[in-house]
Amino acid sequence: EAQVTQNPRYLITVTGKKLTVTCSQNMNHEYMSWYRQDPGLGLRQIYYSMNVEVTDKGDVPEGYKVSRKEKRNFPLILESPSPNQTSLYFCASSALGIERESHEQFFGPGTRLTVL
Amino acid sequence: AQKVTQAQTEISVVEKEDVTLDCVYETRDTTYYLFWYKQPPSGELVFLIRRNSFDEQNEISGRYSWNFQKSTSSFNFTITASQVVDSAVYFCAYSGSRLTFGEGTQLTVNP
Repeated sequence: EAQVTQNPRYLITVTGKKLTVTCSQNMNHEYMSWYRQDPGLGLRQIYYSMNVEVTDKGDVPEGYKVSRKEKRNFPLILESPSPNQTSLYFCASSALGIERESHEQFFGPGTRLTVL
Repeated sequence: AQKVTQAQTEISVVEKEDVTLDCVYETRDTTYYLFWYKQPPSGELVFLIRRNSFDEQNEISGRYSWNFQKSTSSFNFTITASQVVDSAVYFCAYSGSRLTFGEGTQLTVNP
């Protein structure tokens, strides 16, 4: 089954404790991205990757890191989480088209993160 | 800069009513793509439709239909004979040089 998986699904942590949210896709997609969803703000892109070892900032990258060492995996790293990073996070993947994000994205189930 | 506006924050209807969700975008791109996604109460995001800027044909899929009007920069979504299972947050998204999501419309269909 074609899917994007994220782990963990729920996480409660404390300020400053490094954490990683994993993301994996089995569709051989070149493009992967991370979003955060906050009430009244919709989805905002954190980072994206157009292929292995190619990553770039989205609209709200501060406080986050990513890596793309393998095509299928795109982990999101919070080196020193803060309460304002409490949010619902989605990983997504898609094929690459003429434009960077011209194809529909397949989303993971989401990770609800609470930073105390 | 591109922008997507979903002016309706919340809509509440009674089952079997038709409902239209509005989406208006601002852009200077000549080539772009428009999307609708559904987020049911379970939280996942489900792709519904993709439309490119050169294809203004309306589309119908079962009870769902989409009206793309380039002249008014709108890409509205209509659900005919709504059902309780249609209750969800619906996001419109635009992709030109960057992918931008609207803020979403919470649709509640009451029995």
